[in-house]
Amino acid sequence: NAGVTQTPKFQVLKTGQSMTLQCAQDMNHEYMSWYRQDPGMGLRLIHYSVGAGITDQGEVPNGYNVSRSTTEDFPLRLLSAAPSQTSVYFCASSLLGAGDGYTFGSGTRLTVV
Amino acid sequence: DQQVKQNSPSLSVQEGRISILNCDYTNSMFDYFLWYKKYPAEGPTFLISISSIKDKNEDGRFTVFLNKSAKHLSLHIVPSQPGDSAVYFCAAGDSNYQLIWGAGTKLIIKP
Repeated sequence: NAGVTQTPKFQVLKTGQSMTLQCAQDMNHEYMSWYRQDPGMGLRLIHYSVGAGITDQGEVPNGYNVSRSTTEDFPLRLLSAAPSQTSVYFCASSLLGAGDGYTFGSGTRLTVV
Repeated sequence: DQQVKQNSPSLSVQEGRISILNCDYTNSMFDYFLWYKKYPAEGPTFLISISSIKDKNEDGRFTVFLNKSAKHLSLHIVPSQPGDSAVYFCAAGDSNYQLIWGAGTKLIIKP
């Protein structure tokens, strides 16, 4: 099994550009989440989904959109990139929820210049 | 307001000895806690969890202790091995959706 697959691994954007970070899982997990990790800080939740068609905001949702049309895919869209969105982004999935232990992807390192 | 704190940015331990990583929290409503391990350029890997109704949980070399009155949990690794060198995060949750993470402790296992 591939687990959680994130693409791309690295990306450089110019301020104002938009892009989509892709996330796919093959474990039939209902719960999926997007986190960002900044230096010296813990992971912070951006958006999450408890199943296809259901999404909600996390701790730091501004500037990001998500959708969940299938169980497998949970893309994260940056609407108009800003330097403050320079970060490492992780997608995660879980069968039963956050308390069950997430499986994480390997991350996308995004730089906005 | 940091609800989950890992006050030691780094910890160095001799191979074969015990590693103890600490985590403090402020929200008494947290009802489960998890530890994750992270290598560079990889995503975090789930290690072990504990429910607030327990005070100890073991899995092989890893044991997590929870002291609710002190709002403190710790992860013990015995014996420490070179492959344990990584950043360790504690995380806490009061729902099934959101986790609050500490900033991490970098564990270095010396040969």
